[in-house]
Amino acid sequence: DAMVIQNPRYQVTQFGKPVTLSCSQTLNHNVMYWYQQKSSQAPKLLFHYYDKDFNNEADTPDNFQSRRPNTSFCFLDIRSPGLGDAAMYLCATSSHSGGGETQYFGPGTRLLVL
Amino acid sequence: DQQVKQNSPSLSVQEGRISILNCDYTNSMFDYFLWYKKYPAEGPTFLISISSIKDKNEDGRFTVFLNKSAKHLSLHIVPSQPGDSAVYFCAASASTGGFKTIFGAGTRLFVKA
Repeated sequence: DAMVIQNPRYQVTQFGKPVTLSCSQTLNHNVMYWYQQKSSQAPKLLFHYYDKDFNNEADTPDNFQSRRPNTSFCFLDIRSPGLGDAAMYLCATSSHSGGGETQYFGPGTRLLVL
Repeated sequence: DQQVKQNSPSLSVQEGRISILNCDYTNSMFDYFLWYKKYPAEGPTFLISISSIKDKNEDGRFTVFLNKSAKHLSLHIVPSQPGDSAVYFCAASASTGGFKTIFGAGTRLFVKA
């Protein structure tokens, strides 16, 4: 089955210690997204890639970076995690962007910062 | 600034009855609306959508109604089943202006057997 896979499902890191979250897709979609979702809040878009074109949201902290080495994989790097970065991180894909696209989500990685 | 609001954090409904989940938006540029359903330990999955040129879209037990003048949409589930128990996210996007999809905070639906 075509899908969006996120590893690991749970990640524990220490305050200030860099951490990388991974996402892969077998849908061959052009667009990949990273969302941050805190408890009982709406998923918040951090950035997205259309192919290799990187689109950063204006309010995404510099502490968050992303890499997309190929169509299938996308990584979220948190350079110096703070306690406020503890959240669920959702990866999603879509075949196109620009409005009205259906997004396909992975199961998420829950990040705990100690 | 919450452009998409789901004011009810949770809703409890008896099996077989109707579930109505509500969503309000503020940006008049939004012209496409989606509902996603999320089970625990899974990512959200697409459920149903509606374009602003319509006021109703139906798919089996699920119907979405759009009231553009009130900037309000609702998802009706009839009849509700225990397997419908999940978190439902409303989302909105615009086909022009490069708007990203904006999600609401979700409503947790409990369907009691």
